[in-house]
Amino acid sequence: EAEVAQSPRYKITEKSQAVAFWCDPISGHATLYWYRQILGQGPELLVQFQDESVVDDSQLPKDRFSAERLKGVDSTLKIQPAELGDSAMYLCASSLDGERYEQYFGPGTRLTVT
Amino acid sequence: LAKTTQPISMDSYEGQEVNITCSHNNIATNDYITWYQQFPSQGPRFIIQGYKTKVTNEVASLFIPADRKSSTLSLPRVSLSDTAVYYCLVGDNQGGKLIFGQGTELSVKP
Repeated sequence: EAEVAQSPRYKITEKSQAVAFWCDPISGHATLYWYRQILGQGPELLVQFQDESVVDDSQLPKDRFSAERLKGVDSTLKIQPAELGDSAMYLCASSLDGERYEQYFGPGTRLTVT
Repeated sequence: LAKTTQPISMDSYEGQEVNITCSHNNIATNDYITWYQQFPSQGPRFIIQGYKTKVTNEVASLFIPADRKSSTLSLPRVSLSDTAVYYCLVGDNQGGKLIFGQGTELSVKP
């Protein structure tokens, strides 16, 4: 069964450093999502791509976060500079066009900012 | 976007049937009801989706009454491996964002 790939699985960084996460969605999935999940809470959508275009980044802290999906396939989420409050699980998901509610999630990247 | 309310936690024992009810009083005509399961340190996994009456797959059943203001996820004969957080979401496939609430933390005991 096809899966969403994410790397790294774990990342420890010091505050004020830059950090980047990578996601490779399921082949053929036009829609890609980045979520942040704080321990004990549900995932929160940060950004949604349709192919290479951003369709929703209303919850993305744009002063420090950026996301791109240049060729409409894999995607990178960057944080610069990282803050202590950014410690969380960062999840990537993908879905077929028009199937927003059936999303396939990757294993996530656990970020710890010290 | 319709808001959902579900119990914070539930306990069960192996072999029992577990029913998790979700309230969504403001569900819109075009909204579907979707449930996800999340194990610790993993991403959520789609379980089931329905619009009305009953939907069943190899994992669970979803019961939706006629007024659609609530729904019940039914897990038959749970095992220890069903210990997870279960999220109920409501919305359509056209617009808006997928909003996860706090979910229901199900603990299955031996």
